[in-house]
Amino acid sequence: SQQGEEDPQALSIQEGENATMNCSYKTSINNLQWYRQNSGRGLVHLILIRSNEREKHSGRLRVTLDTSKKSSSLLITASRAADTASYFCATDEVKTSYDKVIFGPGTSLSVIP
Amino acid sequence: GAVVSQHPSRVICKSGTSVKIECRSLDFQATTMFWYRQFPKQSLMLMATSNEGSKATYEQGVEKDKFLINHASLTLSTLTVTSAHPEDSSFYICSARDRRIQETQYFGPGTRLLVL
Repeated sequence: SQQGEEDPQALSIQEGENATMNCSYKTSINNLQWYRQNSGRGLVHLILIRSNEREKHSGRLRVTLDTSKKSSSLLITASRAADTASYFCATDEVKTSYDKVIFGPGTSLSVIP
Repeated sequence: GAVVSQHPSRVICKSGTSVKIECRSLDFQATTMFWYRQFPKQSLMLMATSNEGSKATYEQGVEKDKFLINHASLTLSTLTVTSAHPEDSSFYICSARDRRIQETQYFGPGTRLLVL
């Protein structure tokens, strides 16, 4: 199962520009995480934002969380060619009977040198 | 940081055979492990949640008799794809949740399965 939507599905920008990706989800969550995946490789954890947090920064990354709208955004500033990858949000659902971490469909980012 | 390993990293097998994939947490105890499947250019789909010492909880549409999960210890979970068919070819990724830091999960590098 997947939580919801990510948009855009694909994004192509010039090096130096900012990239914004959005994620929506359906259920109540404990936290939301963003991951990066290079083609055919494993996942790299980028940032975790808790449900009681609204914004978080890590280097060139800025994540926002709006629990009232059940949405999050990931902003990558001053993009580099090396940022080219797929980006996924993953939500840690509020525990009912068992743990559940669900991924969004992802955004494929291409940064053109 | 915490490390999760998967073995094998890549496997090719004939249709009808069974394949076992191991997921190990190397430097922490994992009360919960998750198994995901990822098809090319798609996202990770949660297959099942595995808790140590109890039966796995499977997501809707995932056949538990087809994908056998065993979580016998706090550091090891296995996924066995039984009677594999070409449509089972995929990238299988596990993750483990550290019992001390419940909100954090660590991902393995994945296992690429190709069924001929």
